[in-house]
Amino acid sequence: NAGVTQTPKFRILKIGQSMTLQCAQDMNHNYMYWYRQDPGMGLKLIYYSVGAGITDKGEVPNGYNVSRSTTEDFPLRLELAAPSQTSVYFCASSSPEGGNYEQYFGPGTRLTVT
Amino acid sequence: GNSVTQMEGPVTLSEEAFLTINCTYTATGYPSLFWYVQYPGEGLQLLLKATKADDKGSNKGFEATYRKETTSFHLEKGSVQVSDSAVYFCALSTTGTASKLTFGTGTRLQVTL
Repeated sequence: NAGVTQTPKFRILKIGQSMTLQCAQDMNHNYMYWYRQDPGMGLKLIYYSVGAGITDKGEVPNGYNVSRSTTEDFPLRLELAAPSQTSVYFCASSSPEGGNYEQYFGPGTRLTVT
Repeated sequence: GNSVTQMEGPVTLSEEAFLTINCTYTATGYPSLFWYVQYPGEGLQLLLKATKADDKGSNKGFEATYRKETTSFHLEKGSVQVSDSAVYFCALSTTGTASKLTFGTGTRLQVTL
């Protein structure tokens, strides 16, 4: 199993540009999440999904959109990039089966908006 | 709402020293508690977890005990190694919330020879 994969690893955007951060998992997990990690701030939840076709906002959703058309994929869309979106983005997945709450994280995407 | 408070870093220790990283939480209901570790340039990995009061999670020589009376989940290791240098995150999850995690701000540990 590859686990949770994310592309790209690094990206530099100009203000106002758009991009999609890709996330895929091959563990058949129903739950998927997007976090951003700012220096010294821990991780903040952007959006999450409990299954294909179902998404919901997390703590910091403004400026982002998501979709979940399949169990495997959970892309994150930035429509009009702003410097405040410079961060490291992590995707994660989990399964509620058996009461196991562990989340599995991808390696992250480092995004710089200038 | 839920929140996690963990000690500020960085923490610098010599190899074989004893490690404690404090973590306290505020949550509705009975949360599950986690320690995640992030090595340089990598994503987060689960280090250990505890799902009910008085449970002790352990892994790779690290331990943490779920203390409901003090709402704490302090991370300890008896003898740290250089390879333990990383950022450690305390986190919690409550039932009925799609296993969403609330993280502390992280504590950077630097172990020197």
